[in-house]
Amino acid sequence: GAGVSQSPRYKVAKRGQDVALRCDPISGHVSLFWYQQALGQGPEFLTYFQNEAQLDKSGLPSDRFFAERPEGSVSTLKIQRTQQEDSAVYLCASSLKRDRVYGYTFGSGTRLTVV
Amino acid sequence: GESVGLHLPTLSVQEGDNSIINCAYSNSASDYFIWYKQESGKGPQFIIDIRSNMDKRQGQRVTVLLNKTVKHLSLQIAATQPGDSAVYFCAENLGNSGGSNYKLTFGKGTLLTVNP
Repeated sequence: GAGVSQSPRYKVAKRGQDVALRCDPISGHVSLFWYQQALGQGPEFLTYFQNEAQLDKSGLPSDRFFAERPEGSVSTLKIQRTQQEDSAVYLCASSLKRDRVYGYTFGSGTRLTVV
Repeated sequence: GESVGLHLPTLSVQEGDNSIINCAYSNSASDYFIWYKQESGKGPQFIIDIRSNMDKRQGQRVTVLLNKTVKHLSLQIAATQPGDSAVYFCAENLGNSGGSNYKLTFGKGTLLTVNP
């Protein structure tokens, strides 16, 4: 597709439930990023993939958060045992080249609400 | 409601006026800056960028000014239109010197409302 696609657009989870959020980057984009955006805040970095390699996961808030990109294309962000503080919009971005912020393209995000 | 937890700076202008949105960035070592526009329900959209070796850059209807002395960025939008209504974020990147030239640090954002 022409842009970064994320699914689902909205997810409501009961506290303690596991969730999986999907990101389809722009075809051929080497770099893929996940950001978390709390209500009324700017996005915050979670993790970075270069192809299938996860090179930086320093922003993941806890070991309940796990991300993968096994074939260097689609990525999944998994959150185990969701808590209310996990409620946020999760944004995925991709860029053509490695190690670059130039040409970041963001998806529309998945809004996660934990009840 | 939607207002709970929202403490964004806001700017309200009349259509046709010029808008100036300000941002104080955090890291004096940052060498690349981007302004993003985010409409409700969408991801951030690139508007304009500037490197730290510049103090001004112009695009179509937009100008970014960088003052490294006081770590301040501004975005000027000329002849603001209703379609410009959105939240605007500045973002900074450390570049090669920071060892993480892929990571963006975003500011809190400013809500711009354009009245017709």
